Amino acid sequence: DSGVTQTPKHLITATGQRVTLRCSPRSGDLSVYWYQQSLDQGLQFLIQYYNGEERAKGNILERFSAQQFPDLHSELNLSSLELGDSALYFCASSQQGAPYNEQFFGPGTRLTVL
Amino acid sequence: GENVEQHPSTLSVQEGDSAVIKCTYSDSASNYFPWYKQELGKRPQLIIDIRSNVGEKKDQRIAVTLNKTAKHFSLHITETQPEDSAVYFCAASRGGADGLTFGKGTHLIIQP
Repeated sequence: DSGVTQTPKHLITATGQRVTLRCSPRSGDLSVYWYQQSLDQGLQFLIQYYNGEERAKGNILERFSAQQFPDLHSELNLSSLELGDSALYFCASSQQGAPYNEQFFGPGTRLTVL
Repeated sequence: GENVEQHPSTLSVQEGDSAVIKCTYSDSASNYFPWYKQELGKRPQLIIDIRSNVGEKKDQRIAVTLNKTAKHFSLHITETQPEDSAVYFCAASRGGADGLTFGKGTHLIIQP
C-alpha cells in the first residue's frame, strides 16, 4: 500500500457524460500528479498540482481539468467523454522541495466509456 | 519534450537467469530515472531509481546503471524468480515540478 488513495475504483459511463475522479495523497505530500494509462498510449502524464496550484501540464486534453483543494486532495474532471477516454487513471504523490521527485502511485480508477 | 524508448517490449527468461531492460532518453536536462513494476490491473510500484550524479545503484537482486553521455539507462535483475513476472516501466524526469515520461514497458516473463 503506497498511502495514496483513489476513488472510485471503477466507473462506467456513457459518451458525452462528465465524471470526477478523486485522489488523496500520502500524508505530508504536497504534490499530486495525474496519469492516464491506455493500451495504445501507455502511461502518460496529464497534470501536476503542488499545494493547490497547477505546476506542470503534460498531454492533458482541453476536455479534462483538475484541481487540488486546501486539504490537498485532488480531483480530475473529465467531460464530453469519448470512447477513447476509457483507460486507467492513476494519481501519484510526492514530497516537493527535494531535487528529485519520487512518485508513489495510487491504485487507480478504471474508467469505461460505453 | 522528453522521449523515452524502452526495449525489448517482451522478454522471456528462464528462472534463475538474469534479465536486462534498456531505455534511452532524449532530454539531456533529465536527472531522475525511476523504474516501476506493474502487475496486471495494479498500480505501478517504484522498485529502484537513479539520479544523474550516480552511475550505478544496487538493491539486492536489482541494479540500475546510467550512462549520461549516451543518454541510456538499464535495469538488471539477477537470479530471476516467478514473482518477477510483470511489466516493467522506465521513466525520466527533470525533477522538481516535472511529471514522469514513461517508456512503453517491458513484459517480463519468467519461465519455470
